[in-house]
Amino acid sequence: GAGVSQTPSNKVTEKGKYVELRCDPISGHTALYWYRQSLGQGPEFLIYFQGTGAADDSGLPNDRFFAVRPEGSVSTLKIQRTERGDSAVYLCASSLGLGQGLGETQYFGPGTRLLVL
Amino acid sequence: AQSVTQLDSQVPVFEEAPVELRCNYSSSVSVYLFWYVQYPNQGLQLLLKYLSGSTLVKGINGFEAEFNKSQTSFHLRKPSVHISDTAEYFCAVFYTGGFKTIFGAGTRLFVKA
Repeated sequence: GAGVSQTPSNKVTEKGKYVELRCDPISGHTALYWYRQSLGQGPEFLIYFQGTGAADDSGLPNDRFFAVRPEGSVSTLKIQRTERGDSAVYLCASSLGLGQGLGETQYFGPGTRLLVL
Repeated sequence: AQSVTQLDSQVPVFEEAPVELRCNYSSSVSVYLFWYVQYPNQGLQLLLKYLSGSTLVKGINGFEAEFNKSQTSFHLRKPSVHISDTAEYFCAVFYTGGFKTIFGAGTRLFVKA
C-alpha cells in the first residue's frame, strides 16, 4: 500500500478483555515498530521487529503485552486482561530495514485509539 | 538514562513571526536526531533528520534545525510561520548501538492570525 495502515482506528473494550491491534507496513519494509502514545506524551517505544523476529522488545510494559509478525509483513499487537491504564493511541511505524545504524526514516500509521472502560 | 526534553509544551506565535522549538537530549557518544510533525487527526511525519555532516539541517516546509553537540541540543526553527504550521512537533533521538528511538513529550505550535 501507499502507507502504513492500522486497524481498527478506534477500539473500545472493557477491563479484563483481550484485544488485538493490527499493523500493515509499507510494502518492502522489513523493519516494524510499535509505540504507545498516552495523552500529552510523545510516542513510547514498545517493540522492534526486523523481519519476523523481535530484535528488541524491552519496551513492552509487562507480560500482558505481546506482538507477532509471523510472515515478516503484517504485525499484531496483543493485549491480554486489559486495564484502564492501557488506554492510549498505539502507533505502528515501518522502515526499509537496511540497518538500524543507518538512521532510517520511520513512516508512521495513523494509530489505533484504545479505550478501556 | 536516555531522555529527550522538549522545553516548551505549547508555543503560541503570530503568523509570519519566527519560531524556535527547543529540544535537548541526554548526552551520549553518538546519536541520530529527528523532528516529526503531527497535524490534527494525522499520523507523524518526518520534518528533518541529522545523521552526520553539516550541523545545520534543512527540512520540509521551510523548517531547519541545528545540532549542537556541546549543548546536546537540536532546536527547530522557522523564520516565518503560517497558519498551516499549527501542529504538534516531536523531537526524537536514536542512540546508536541500540534499537530504540526516544521521543520528547511534544510541543504544540499554535499559529495565530
